[in-house]
Amino acid sequence: QSVLTQPPSASGTPGQTVSISCSGSSSNIGSNYVYWYQQVPGTAPKLLIYSNNHRPSGVPDRFSGSKSGTSASLAISGLRSEDEADYYCASWTDSFSGPVFGGGTKLTVL
Amino acid sequence: QVQLQESGPGLLKPSETLSLTCTVSGGSINSHYWTWIRQPPGKGLEWIGYIYYSGSSNYNPSLKSRVTISVDTSRNHFSLKLTSVTAADTAVYYCARGISAWYTSWGQGAPVTVSS
Repeated sequence: QSVLTQPPSASGTPGQTVSISCSGSSSNIGSNYVYWYQQVPGTAPKLLIYSNNHRPSGVPDRFSGSKSGTSASLAISGLRSEDEADYYCASWTDSFSGPVFGGGTKLTVL
Repeated sequence: QVQLQESGPGLLKPSETLSLTCTVSGGSINSHYWTWIRQPPGKGLEWIGYIYYSGSSNYNPSLKSRVTISVDTSRNHFSLKLTSVTAADTAVYYCARGISAWYTSWGQGAPVTVSS
């Protein structure tokens, strides 16, 4: 059971906008930044969003992050087939001074 | 661009000690935090622990009694030891640079299987 809660799956057609939610609590998302990772099966996770809504260099602006209270979301606009992957949210927890992750959301591009 | 590479045995028997090393290239291990994360087959990511180049560390409470992370700045690498492994420790083990859930560089991952 992951500390952060994500839907297990999401889907969309090419060109659509898809959102993935991440729910936490006051000790993690509520008081710390949220990060998002993309993981293509068989490869290491890749940082997509840092500090709630910032994109590392090289990440397309189709990816955006937001946070409100104890929840966060990742939006992917102009969905493309190469976006098919697993997406994980992460945040710091004040409970034990370490990171916690969501269980992951498998995105399917129909 | 810093690169990380995990190395170590891929097959262990129950009760043995898992030992992995992460070698950092293209940059210095100094002035950064270094982390171990694992991913059981078909499951999500689990933080194991981190270490600062100076040697200060912190571990996941669920693994704390069995985990030791160390750093060797002279060899530009850091290491993970996990004692008394069971089948539940079967996972891909990743090393990464960063802290606070902000990991900018990752190793490719080292699969570890625990089986008798």
